[in-house]
Amino acid sequence: SAVISQKPSRDICQRGTSLTIQCQVDSQVTMMFWYRQQPGQSLTLIATANQGSEATYESGFVIDKFPISRPNLTFSTLTVSNMSPEDSSIYLCSANLRGDIRIVETQYFGPGTRLLVL
Amino acid sequence: TQLLEQSPQFLSIQEGENLTVYCNSSSVFSSLQWYRQEPGEGPVLLVTVVTGGEVKKLKRLTFQFGDARKDSSLHITAAQPGDTGLYLCAGARNNQGGKLIFGQGTELSVKP
Repeated sequence: SAVISQKPSRDICQRGTSLTIQCQVDSQVTMMFWYRQQPGQSLTLIATANQGSEATYESGFVIDKFPISRPNLTFSTLTVSNMSPEDSSIYLCSANLRGDIRIVETQYFGPGTRLLVL
Repeated sequence: TQLLEQSPQFLSIQEGENLTVYCNSSSVFSSLQWYRQEPGEGPVLLVTVVTGGEVKKLKRLTFQFGDARKDSSLHITAAQPGDTGLYLCAGARNNQGGKLIFGQGTELSVKP
């Protein structure tokens, strides 16, 4: 398994501002992902953070709104830009690692960042 | 279109009861993961199943992967209040860049 940390753990922001969320993995990983989740609901993939190239965004998410950096194999950031109350959510990062099942990579998650936009 | 149908979405039971959560798809998965998430935390991996027909046990939890690798189930025996949480199934497919397809989640509440 892996230890994945996120900062900040929670924040309250004013509309129109931007927040950058950091994700740190304690080992080098190939794939990192960013998700959004409403409390009690399932996860929605925002994008795949690619090391050394631009992130790959899912339908409904764009780079101008959610710019992502992946400067190395252990770190990524997600920025939520020009925030509105609709951006209030839990933001999760994850990483794929070969764990106990060595023939496949398994995805491990950070603790999440709880964002409230007023 | 939901590629992985998870049911039930809500389940409230008494301590000591048994329960089963299902995840079904028309697609074949190379592996399937089950996660449990508590409020204020990220999803925690419970198990990964890879082989069709595979059964894995984790204390009172039994996970099964369908023979055709299109469906999976989680059975909890003698549920306890500590089992309360959001259970998520997620499937991986070949050539998808490591992305997971998540079910809708099952919110389980076990009352003492």
